[in-house]
Amino acid sequence: DTGVSQDPRHKITKRGQNVTFRCDPISEHNRLYWYRQTLGQGPEFLTYFQNEAQLEKSRLLSDRFSAERPKGSFSTLEIQRTEQGDSAMYLCASSLAIGYEQYFGPGTRLTVT
Amino acid sequence: AQSVTQPDIHITVSEGASLELRCNYSYGATPYLFWYVQSPGQGLQLLLKYFSGDTLVQGIKGFEAEFKRSQSSFNLRKPSVHWSDAAEYFCAVGFTGGGNKLTFGTGTQLKVEL
Repeated sequence: DTGVSQDPRHKITKRGQNVTFRCDPISEHNRLYWYRQTLGQGPEFLTYFQNEAQLEKSRLLSDRFSAERPKGSFSTLEIQRTEQGDSAMYLCASSLAIGYEQYFGPGTRLTVT
Repeated sequence: AQSVTQPDIHITVSEGASLELRCNYSYGATPYLFWYVQSPGQGLQLLLKYFSGDTLVQGIKGFEAEFKRSQSSFNLRKPSVHWSDAAEYFCAVGFTGGGNKLTFGTGTQLKVEL
């Protein structure tokens, strides 16, 4: 069990650019979650997958955000036309199934200049 | 919609003193409850969880929490705090019908004085 990994750990981008983050969950976990955390706040739910199916998206996930989990393993979160308000820590978590605890990765810190 | 309240934004305790961090939730059914700890610039580490059964749950690093349905609370406790416990602590709630997505409180920043 190597834990949840995320790449990159830090990303600095200019407003208007597109960025993509990757999350590798714990290998046997079929549920994968994305959260966003801004300074001084708790994480906020963005979306989750069961295997390759995206089952729910938050209202926070505007049309500029898209997430995929093509083979039910790793996931990517893409932000198009980044805005300064997108600056945050993006956290990925995975769980074995529904009713099990979520394990978080180290996060990707996005800074939009 | 479910919500989580952590009324203490900052708490300072002396090393060796006891600790209690408060958490209240708002949700109609029985939730799943969690405490996570976050060090600066890091992800969240699970301290303990409550799904059902015994309302007093034990976690890692000597932490425990008690689920009190009548008070809608899930307070975190530790009998003797160590300097390494300084971090931010988040209470979170989830429920099966919501796909287990978590709703977090705003966190409590713990400072430990030596």
